[in-house]
Amino acid sequence: GQNIDQPTEMTATEGAIVQINCTYQTSGFNGLFWYQQHAGEAPTFLSYNVLDGLEEKGRFSSFLSRSKGYSYLLLKELQMKDSASYLCAIRNQAGTALIFGKGTTLSVSS
Amino acid sequence: DAGVTQSPTHLIKTRGQQVTLRCSPKSGHDTVSWYQQALGQGPQFIFQYYEEEERQRGNFPDRFSGHQFPNYSSELNVNALLLGDSALYLCASSWGGSGGTGELFFGEGSRLTVL
Repeated sequence: GQNIDQPTEMTATEGAIVQINCTYQTSGFNGLFWYQQHAGEAPTFLSYNVLDGLEEKGRFSSFLSRSKGYSYLLLKELQMKDSASYLCAIRNQAGTALIFGKGTTLSVSS
Repeated sequence: DAGVTQSPTHLIKTRGQQVTLRCSPKSGHDTVSWYQQALGQGPQFIFQYYEEEERQRGNFPDRFSGHQFPNYSSELNVNALLLGDSALYLCASSWGGSGGTGELFFGEGSRLTVL
């Protein structure tokens, strides 16, 4: 089976850096994804990791350690618009489905 | 370029009724997946359609069924609605079924309320 854990809520201030952790257990690993979802909107793709290491994309970076079953999403220079739910997901072995965690609600204040 | 479109956006049904939700994938995509997202939870995989066939199914009862048409659009049908079926139903499209980066493009969802 597969299990994904991430914190339920986090708070931060504008301009700060925040790290959202995700730990997972899976019988077959086929990539890890991060999605952003604003309230009442569709999830949007942020990042994809299949090999160990850091992937950087602008203010957002994602890290993966397959041996530890661990990933994090790093958000720099936080803005109010970054207030959203951040979803960690792993792809099943067949590559046909994403298994999502419950999401981390990030609140950014001024 | 239109993204993933879903209809209806909101609907209310009563227990025991049946519902059909519709999805048009992003232009150029041939694969449609359906997810159920309960309030405060992450999306849960229902099934994926590729080449007009159900390619993979999640842990959902047979009351949940679907279809994919030759133009790649898709329908999700839920029979004998239960209160617990109240959720946001998300359609996601991608290209090529499996493999690749697996980036899914999600629609805005259909919010179903069962009374």
